[in-house]
Amino acid sequence: AQTVTQSQPEMSVQEAETVTLSCTYDTSENNYYLFWYKQPPSRQMILVIRQEAYKQQNATENRFSVNFQKAAKSFSLKISDSQLGDTAMYFCAACRGSGGGADGLTFGKGTHLIIQP
Amino acid sequence: DSGVTQTPKHLITATGQRVTLRCSPRSGDLSVYWYQQSLDQGLQFLIQYYNGEERAKGNILERFSAQQFPDLHSELNLSSLELGDSALYFCASSVGTLNTEAFFGQGTRLTVV
Repeated sequence: AQTVTQSQPEMSVQEAETVTLSCTYDTSENNYYLFWYKQPPSRQMILVIRQEAYKQQNATENRFSVNFQKAAKSFSLKISDSQLGDTAMYFCAACRGSGGGADGLTFGKGTHLIIQP
Repeated sequence: DSGVTQTPKHLITATGQRVTLRCSPRSGDLSVYWYQQSLDQGLQFLIQYYNGEERAKGNILERFSAQQFPDLHSELNLSSLELGDSALYFCASSVGTLNTEAFFGQGTRLTVV
């Protein structure tokens, strides 16, 4: 089983600034995946970025990148050049990646990110 | 649009009642996952089906059950509803058995009064 902790309930930054959302996790698995999901006011769950634990290179998707520190079990999300449309709840999540069984995602409590104009 | 369709979008019902939530996965996806998002519990995994068979179970109450039909759509049945069951229920789907590539539907908002 995994646990995911997001220690920042809410963050607010100015448009165009860079912001980093924190996430720590715990797992006994050797093979696992980490995710950041965005949930805007529409409530849709949108996958922002995904990291495979066995890959040392940090994942990037346009303005979104992660800092994956495996030994520290830390998985932070950096949003560069923040935009008003980035305002949303952001959830960090983890799941087991190995075969022989399946797993759902384990989510953190979320960080409410507000981008100010 | 993720390609995952959930109906209905909103549902209001009384305590003690039973409701059925429906999910149609993306074309080609064999796995369906159900999640509950509530103020108290946050987002939690309920259950997964793969190609008609139950694959994994999370924090699903005994009053809740699910199934996946031959056409791969899934239904989540919630019975003896309580006020605390009010939540947003998400369905997600993926091609294989792992939730690493899952796409979420827009959710069903259940209000129990």
